[in-house]
Amino acid sequence: DQQVKQNSPSLSVQEGRISILNCDYTNSMFDYFLWYKKYPAEGPTFLISISSIKDKNEDGRFTVFLNKSAKHLSLHIVPSQPGDSAVYFCAASEDQGGKLIFGQGTELSVKP
Amino acid sequence: DVKVTQSSRYLVKRTGEKVFLECVQDMDHENMFWYRQDPGLGLRLIYFSYDVKMKEKGDIPEGYSVSREKKERFSLILESASTNQTSMYLCASRAGDPSSYEQYFGPGTRLTVT
Repeated sequence: DQQVKQNSPSLSVQEGRISILNCDYTNSMFDYFLWYKKYPAEGPTFLISISSIKDKNEDGRFTVFLNKSAKHLSLHIVPSQPGDSAVYFCAASEDQGGKLIFGQGTELSVKP
Repeated sequence: DVKVTQSSRYLVKRTGEKVFLECVQDMDHENMFWYRQDPGLGLRLIYFSYDVKMKEKGDIPEGYSVSREKKERFSLILESASTNQTSMYLCASRAGDPSSYEQYFGPGTRLTVT
């Protein structure tokens, strides 16, 4: 059973517009969430994270929103740039220092 | 800057061969992980280690074993490679500080078993 789900395998957005990537989870014990970005032939790189005690975290063009009651988080990229084209993975952890559970990934394509 | 390196970027092996994938990190991290990435399935944890000579099974350990003789090195072993082990293998490390969630990944090894 998939505890972390990214139901959209792909997303296409015009440059300058907002990209919204979604992630749902089933385990109410998850208390920390991360987003990773992966380019082809490279390992994933950490992008942004959020603790369950917050509902929003912002870092430049990237904002992560957490809705605990809905068990849903989203990553907003504003404005989107062609260099943002990559696969984005959300991940969750049950406790500090615990293992990460990853979603299936969403491939974002930002068109000029 | 954390650096995680993997011994090979691409590897082609035959069914039944014993395969070693090596991972080295240079940040003195206590925790190391092996994942495989497959289309539509995301990253799945195979094994992890929180200290030298310590190992824990992840979600899909069948057909794999690991070795951690030194803190900086974590090896993944396929005892008898099979075609369903064709995949992208990713190694990661993380500091032992409990407040540190972020894992740092290597570039991956694309393994093809024929």
